Amino acid sequence: DIVMTQSPDSLAVSLGERATINCKSSQSVLYSSNSKNYFAWYQQKPGQPPKLLIYWASTRESGVPDRFSGSGSGTDFTLTISGLQAEDVAVYYCQQYYSIPQTFGQGTKLEIK
Amino acid sequence: EVQLVESGGGLVQPGGSLRLSCAASGFTFSRYWMHWVRQAPGKGLVWVSRINGDGSSTTYADSVKGRFTIFRDNAKNTLYLHMNSLRAEDTAVYYCARVEYCSDPTSCYTWFDHWGQGTLVTVSS
Repeated sequence: DIVMTQSPDSLAVSLGERATINCKSSQSVLYSSNSKNYFAWYQQKPGQPPKLLIYWASTRESGVPDRFSGSGSGTDFTLTISGLQAEDVAVYYCQQYYSIPQTFGQGTKLEIK
Repeated sequence: EVQLVESGGGLVQPGGSLRLSCAASGFTFSRYWMHWVRQAPGKGLVWVSRINGDGSSTTYADSVKGRFTIFRDNAKNTLYLHMNSLRAEDTAVYYCARVEYCSDPTSCYTWFDHWGQGTLVTVSS
């Protein structure tokens, strides 16, 4: 199984500032035949199901604010939230869909400082 | 609008059985691979199982293989998870989730684009 490791486990950022969450996979999730990273980011607010933010490592889902951006390739990925807003308080998960079982990171809890 | 509504959760004793349902609407259900993902209280997300559009291909996490069965009724637009020999560690909110469309009926590697609200399964005596 591919192990996904996020850092940090929790993060406190001031409103309007930048939040950065990292995720590392135990093996590459870059598929050489199409040069796509089989990697996604999700946001989960308390009492709600996860919500898709980013897929193919950097493609923003429709309706997701452009302050959310994803980057990285291979085994190292980053979710950046530029200009943190109060509604961004949530747990963020990375996920690989390169192989079964699809696996998630342990989550990063984002709070307001 | 895509909607996924789970039901069937509840309290069950260790060793017992339970069947979860996920009613789908707002899309052509039979064309999509569907998954179950669970989340233990206060913990992270764990993939459980998947099934292809016509129900001919299924895959399970090692932790549930031989105990859980995923199936679907495309005439009723409903996904199911039948759970046997339940253990305390199966206690979790169970989400059904749709993945982005993929045309291959034998293999699909895409992201979860829609999730249900979840149903809580508690295994305890």
